[in-house]
Amino acid sequence: EAQLEESGGGLVQPGGSLRLSCAASGFTFSRHIMNWVRQAPGKGLEWISYINGDGSTTYYADSVKGRFIISRDNDKDALYLQMNTVRDDDTAIYYCVRGLFGSGSRPRFDYWGQGILVSVSS
Amino acid sequence: EIVLTQSPGTLSLYPGERATLSCRANQTINSDYLAWFQQKPGQAPRLLIYDASSRAAGVPDRFSGSGSGTDFTLTINRLAPEDFAVYYCQQYGISFTFGPGTTVDIQ
Repeated sequence: EAQLEESGGGLVQPGGSLRLSCAASGFTFSRHIMNWVRQAPGKGLEWISYINGDGSTTYYADSVKGRFIISRDNDKDALYLQMNTVRDDDTAIYYCVRGLFGSGSRPRFDYWGQGILVSVSS
Repeated sequence: EIVLTQSPGTLSLYPGERATLSCRANQTINSDYLAWFQQKPGQAPRLLIYDASSRAAGVPDRFSGSGSGTDFTLTINRLAPEDFAVYYCQQYGISFTFGPGTTVDIQ
């Protein structure tokens, strides 16, 4: 069964940087698109970034565009999120999420990691 | 941007009752690319329904999804104690957006 495990979270000051990692196992990582989804404390879910299987295509939500960078290393079965110029409203649990294409052209989010907390505070 | 609205915000029911949750989009969702997730406290969301009406692997058949276009419904027949949770709808037709969630709690 697919497993995803995030790491690298913690406390960071406003304006600082942090790099999240997600270790994937139990499936052929390079064949799947991957996403980051976050959830602020007590709030709902927000998709923030997408990367295709070979890393050549990325998308971002407007809230993080220009500040966050998604990447992957298929040799290491790893997904990353480089978070730069963080703000207070980036405080959230960050989930690594696998995308699965069915018969259609759009991927559903089928496996989620347990999430990692990022707290932005001075 | 496709905006999703969920109703009601909270649904208070007894175990064994039927839950009917609504998700409405501000524009047509392409090819009914609509999913439902369940989230329990301290846990990651879990995919229940995709493509509006297809159950994900391992999801009990008391969960069913319906609808098309802009109006979608998640129905939970005979609520089990473990079904009390927050439910989110998500569209993945154009980019990805989530609804604000519906809490199903015990009456």
